[in-house]
Amino acid sequence: DTGVSQNPRHKITKRGQNVTFRCDPISEHNRLYWYRQTLGQGPEFLTYFQNEAQLEKSRLLSDRFSAERPKGSFSTLEIQRTEQGDSAMYLCASSSSDRGSWGTEAFFGQGTRLTVV
Amino acid sequence: GEDVEQSLFLSVREGDSSVINCTYTDSSSTYLYWYKQEPGAGLQLLTYIFSNMDMKQDQRLTVLLNKKDKHLSLRIADTQTGDSAIYFCAESTHGGSQGNLIFGKGTKLSVKP
Repeated sequence: DTGVSQNPRHKITKRGQNVTFRCDPISEHNRLYWYRQTLGQGPEFLTYFQNEAQLEKSRLLSDRFSAERPKGSFSTLEIQRTEQGDSAMYLCASSSSDRGSWGTEAFFGQGTRLTVV
Repeated sequence: GEDVEQSLFLSVREGDSSVINCTYTDSSSTYLYWYKQEPGAGLQLLTYIFSNMDMKQDQRLTVLLNKKDKHLSLRIADTQTGDSAIYFCAESTHGGSQGNLIFGKGTKLSVKP
């Protein structure tokens, strides 16, 4: 396993277009997270899955954003009608709940950089 | 609301110790983390500390937690040029599940040879 994989690495889109990103977590990990990071800021939590269930969503996740994890493996994050303010790095992370309820490390992917022009 | 604050820049000479500081506001934080981000790379977990601990040491890294003052620090001993990166402090109130981490803006560490 090569770790958390995100595709594409870069995406440039015109304002108003829809975009979809994919995240492939580490294969044995049942938890998957999406974060957004803008320039000069720390990552901001967007949403979290345990298996296929979406358990938590941030207020940052507007109606234009939707995330899925249909089979409890890979996940997609779709942004509809993109706006310039959506330009950011979108980070995916995964972890396993099997190591107990504390100190479970989340492994991050390298992210998808979105530029909306 | 929840907030995590860090100084934005730190510059040290190779071989010196680096101390990166962080303050947080949520007294119910259960775990506090330090992440490292190198250019073009994802986040790497360096270490974490549970809120009932005062100190944790892991090789060159020492984490100190002052829960009363809500202050967390990361000390890197014998800093090397390879330690140059952005270091993020983060807190979690969701046990250790890391379902929802609150990150600071990051401290950019520059190590001069």
